Amino acid sequence: AQKITQTQPGMFVQEKEAVTLDCTYDTSDPSYGLFWYKQPSSGEMIFLIYQGSYDQQNATEGRYSLNFQKARKSANLVISASQLGDSAMYFCAMREGRGFQKLVFGTGTRLLVSP
Amino acid sequence: SQTIHQWPATLVQPVGSPLSLECTVEGTSNPNLYWYRQAAGRGLQLLFYSVGIGQISSEVPQNLSASRPQDRQFILSSKKLLLSDSGFYLCAWAQGIGHNEQFFGPGTRLTVL
Repeated sequence: AQKITQTQPGMFVQEKEAVTLDCTYDTSDPSYGLFWYKQPSSGEMIFLIYQGSYDQQNATEGRYSLNFQKARKSANLVISASQLGDSAMYFCAMREGRGFQKLVFGTGTRLLVSP
Repeated sequence: SQTIHQWPATLVQPVGSPLSLECTVEGTSNPNLYWYRQAAGRGLQLLFYSVGIGQISSEVPQNLSASRPQDRQFILSSKKLLLSDSGFYLCAWAQGIGHNEQFFGPGTRLTVL
C-alpha cells in the first residue's frame, strides 16, 4: 500500500488566490511526522513545513499552512496569496517513528500559477 | 550556517562505465546522510542512508553502492552503469534524532546512454 498519496498530478491557480494541495498518508505508528517540500525547475528540494503527529495545532510558515486532519489521515498544504514563483512540484513526505529520519515521498503535484 | 554540495551537476555516461557522485556537507558534524534518486516525473526514492563514518544502509537492491569515508562526505558509486540508472540524484542531510527536516543538495542529473 502507498504510504503517501498525492492524487492531484497538476493544479492551476491564479496569482493571489489560495490553493490546497492534497496529501493522505497511511501508517499504524502513533508517532510520525509529515513534511512538504517544493521542487522548482532547478531541481533542488526546498523544505516548506513540518507537522508532528502529536502537534495540537496546524503548522504554519508564512504563506504556507498545513491542514492536518489526523482522523482522516490527511495533511493538505495550503498556499495563500499564490505568487508566480510558487510554480513548482510539491511533494508530501512522511517519517514514521521518533527515531531515524527516513522519509517516504509521494509522487508530487505540479502547481502552475498564472498571472 | 550549513551547506550541502553535490558534484558534478550533470553527467552523461555510457552504459557499462563506472560512476562516482560526491556529496559534502559543511557547517555541521555527525550528520545523517542520504542518497535519493528521482526518475523523470516521479517522487524520490531513498537509496542509501548513513548515520556515521563507514555505516551504510541500503534501501533497495540495485546496481549502486555508497560509502562514507569521512564524517561529512557521502559517495554514490557504480562499477558498471545501466540505462535504468539514469535519473536525478539528490543528497540530503539531517541532524540527529529529535530534529525533523532533511536538507537537500542541488542534485546531479545523470544520463546513461
